[in-house]
Amino acid sequence: DAKTTQPNSMESNEEEPVHLPCNHSTISGTDYIHWYRQLPSQGPEYVIHGLTSNVNNRMASLAIAEDRKSSTLILHRATLRDAAVYYCILRGGGGSNYKLTFGKGTLLTVNP
Amino acid sequence: GAVVSQHPSRVICKSGTSVKIECRSLDFQATTMFWYRQFPKQSLMLMATSNEGSKATYEQGVEKDKFLINHASLTLSTLTVTSAHPEDSSFYICSARDLAPTGISADTQYFGPGTRLTVL
Repeated sequence: DAKTTQPNSMESNEEEPVHLPCNHSTISGTDYIHWYRQLPSQGPEYVIHGLTSNVNNRMASLAIAEDRKSSTLILHRATLRDAAVYYCILRGGGGSNYKLTFGKGTLLTVNP
Repeated sequence: GAVVSQHPSRVICKSGTSVKIECRSLDFQATTMFWYRQFPKQSLMLMATSNEGSKATYEQGVEKDKFLINHASLTLSTLTVTSAHPEDSSFYICSARDLAPTGISADTQYFGPGTRLTVL
């Protein structure tokens, strides 16, 4: 599986936007970019995913670079409940059996 | 949204005993379920992929005779840790894929809340 690189940690203030970067320079044409997050002592939670175009949902936005070698997860207004580890994962298309390989992720701290 | 449950949420057992963990998809049928293990301050590590009615596929380095997986129905998969030892103490998490996904759920894994195993 192609690997991703994320900062170990980031800090934000409540009600401010947060931009979480992810580099994936070895991404292949069929790899989907997935974001999950894990709150303390809980299982991961799906956030968003995309292939080429930017994506928006009620939780966040995903901005994908034109060359697809990087992406940014955008939380428009951080809340204390957004404090979590955010994982950027490449999921291969086709016969990958939909396995997800988790890296170390980015620990997001939200200050009140 | 799709919900996955795990039971028990927490278990403490003596060394040498076996522990069974259940993973259920509550409002959808799961053709594929995944089992992960997470040690403190580390990321999730995929242990095995479980498909209903067939043998699980284990990741390299995971002992299939120690971690028995059964996926007998489209809503239930079980992980049995046999002859547990203190080094098996960990946070075990399952996830499931929808059998008949539509829209966004077509490429989404739904995770359970996890089971904290402590082996004394």
